[in-house]
Amino acid sequence: DAKTTQPPSMDCAEGRAANLPCNHSTISGNEYVYWYRQIHSQGPQYIIHGLKNNETNEMASLIITEDRKSSTLILPHATLRDTAVYYCIVSLDSGGGADGLTFGKGTHLIIQP
Amino acid sequence: NAGVTQTPKFRILKIGQSMTLQCAQDMNHNYMYWYRQDPGMGLKLIYYSVGAGITDKGEVPNGYNVSRSTTEDFPLRLELAAPSQTSVYFCASTRQGRNGYTFGSGTRLTVV
Repeated sequence: DAKTTQPPSMDCAEGRAANLPCNHSTISGNEYVYWYRQIHSQGPQYIIHGLKNNETNEMASLIITEDRKSSTLILPHATLRDTAVYYCIVSLDSGGGADGLTFGKGTHLIIQP
Repeated sequence: NAGVTQTPKFRILKIGQSMTLQCAQDMNHNYMYWYRQDPGMGLKLIYYSVGAGITDKGEVPNGYNVSRSTTEDFPLRLELAAPSQTSVYFCASTRQGRNGYTFGSGTRLTVV
């Protein structure tokens, strides 16, 4: 699986959009981009994933650049409960990886009141 | 649905003791995983299973064993606990072709 690079930490004001970047310059054509988050002491939570097209669900939007070398997770109206570590992961399997996803250190997003 | 259930939530072991961390899912997922997470670090894969009777090693399998006799259960066994196994353990499951993993709430293990 391709490696990903994320900033270690970010701040965002409550009510504003939080934009979390991820670089995956070595991604191959059939690899998916996944985003998970982990609120302190809890198990990680699946957010969204995509292959080429931008995706949106009730939690977030995922914007993937045309060359697929980077992506941005957007939380449209951040709340204090969105404070968490966010993981960007690249995986071949559309189901998330039969042989397991590789979690890096992620981005610690802090929502400021 | 309960999702992924892990027991116990907390445990303190003495060096050399053994224990089994339990993981059960009620979503009919065929894929199951065990991860460990050390303080300030990402998750590392210990073992995984793609179906009943099939298990395989992940990145950090030493000191652990697993079995998968049913679709629902995926226990993790520590035979001779060592301080290096102090960590938070997460179990996860998914179904092939579905969206993402479902994680349990974790087991905090301290070996003293």
